[in-house]
Order: sequence, then C-alpha cells, then structure tokens
Amino acid sequence: GAVVSQHPSWVICKSGTSVKIECRSLDFQATTMFWYRQFPKQSLMLMATSNEGSKATYEQGVEKDKFLINHASLTLSTLTVTSAHPEDSSFYICSARDPLAGGPSLYEQYFGPGTRLTVT
Amino acid sequence: AQSVSQHNHHVILSEAASLELGCNYSYGGTVNLFWYVQYPGQHLQLLLKYFSGDPLVKGIKGFEAEFIKSKFSFNLRKPSVQWSDTAEYFCAVNGGNTGFQKLVFGTGTRLLVSP
Repeated sequence: GAVVSQHPSWVICKSGTSVKIECRSLDFQATTMFWYRQFPKQSLMLMATSNEGSKATYEQGVEKDKFLINHASLTLSTLTVTSAHPEDSSFYICSARDPLAGGPSLYEQYFGPGTRLTVT
Repeated sequence: AQSVSQHNHHVILSEAASLELGCNYSYGGTVNLFWYVQYPGQHLQLLLKYFSGDPLVKGIKGFEAEFIKSKFSFNLRKPSVQWSDTAEYFCAVNGGNTGFQKLVFGTGTRLLVSP
C-alpha cells in the first residue's frame, strides 16, 4: 500500500518552455502532497506543500509564479515549471500523506520515484 | 532554526564491516524520526522510523537505529554491510516547534561498500 507515482520520470525541455510533472497517489487519497527538489549530490529541499482544493503553501525563496502547483483531486497534484531555464534542471520529488493513517503515521510521507528535469 | 545534521558525508567500507551513520537534530519537544535510503538511480525508500516507545528501532535489510533523546541523536547502524548497501542515506525529522507537517532532511551520507 501507500504507493506514489510520478510522470514523467525524465524530461528534457528547451529554455523558455513550460513543463508539467504529475504526482499521483495510487492506492490512497492524499489531501496533502509535498514537492521537493534535489540537486546533484545534495539533500531534498521542500519547495511547497500542496493541499487538495486550496492554494499551495510555498517555502521561503521558492517562486510561486514559476513553480505552479495544482492539487485538483485527492489523488493528483501537478507541478508546472514555467519558463524553464537551465538552472531549473534538477530532480523533482513528490510525496504524499495518507490522511486515514492512524496516530503518528498520519505524518509519514510516501515518496514518488522522482522526475529528472533537464533544461537545455 | 530547526535543523538535521549528518556529519558523515562520505563513508567507505569493506563488505562485512560494521556501519554507524550519525544523525543529530536541533528540535525541542516531541519528534518523529526517519531514515531513508536512495539506491543509485532509484527513489527514496523508508528504512525505519521512530515515533515513540522502544528507542531501539529495527528496520528493513538488517538496519537499526537508536533514539537517544538526551543527545538529540538517531544514529543508523548495521552490524555487517554488503556491497548492495551502497547508496545514499538520509535522516529526516518532523515535529518540534514547526509541527509534524513538514519533514526536514539531513544533507545525506553517501556510503560506498567495496566487495
């Protein structure tokens, strides 16, 4: 149980274009999803918290107009990198919480496989 | 600010050697603690977690971790590593003053096990 998928797993785009990454919870409904960014040989940095039916909460320093997050259903959150530039090249990882999990497991996050974005 | 520290950035071991990876956090109050592993080219997998109770936690693949509250530590251990344990290991924490919503990761430790 608690499987999270991401699509695509790998994408190359030209500078100035936009790219959409999908994050799906496959066997549970996720009211809260998270988007992380991981630079090569570095740790995961939280970009934003995606809440179903409401606006995402962005971390300090993350441009909300550049990284558009939509969480329109209980099983899908999307991250759109708008007007991508080479410095946006990174590994983007999403995670989700299962709101029906009991006790502290409510705050456990299940991670997707990640999407590698390369902007040329 | 609350933070998670992993002091060993790179560790190289021979097969059958014992492993201990350090993790310290700066949170006060109640915390949940996690260790994740990321094998080359793969996604994050949960190794083990601590919420409460016995401070010695056993996880998958023979890993264990000990929560020492007085030292704000949650070190990961394995008595005998295998070549297949080559991966990056991340400690993560939620709780404390920022609540349980967000998970904060350490910088990671890259483990290389030579056959």
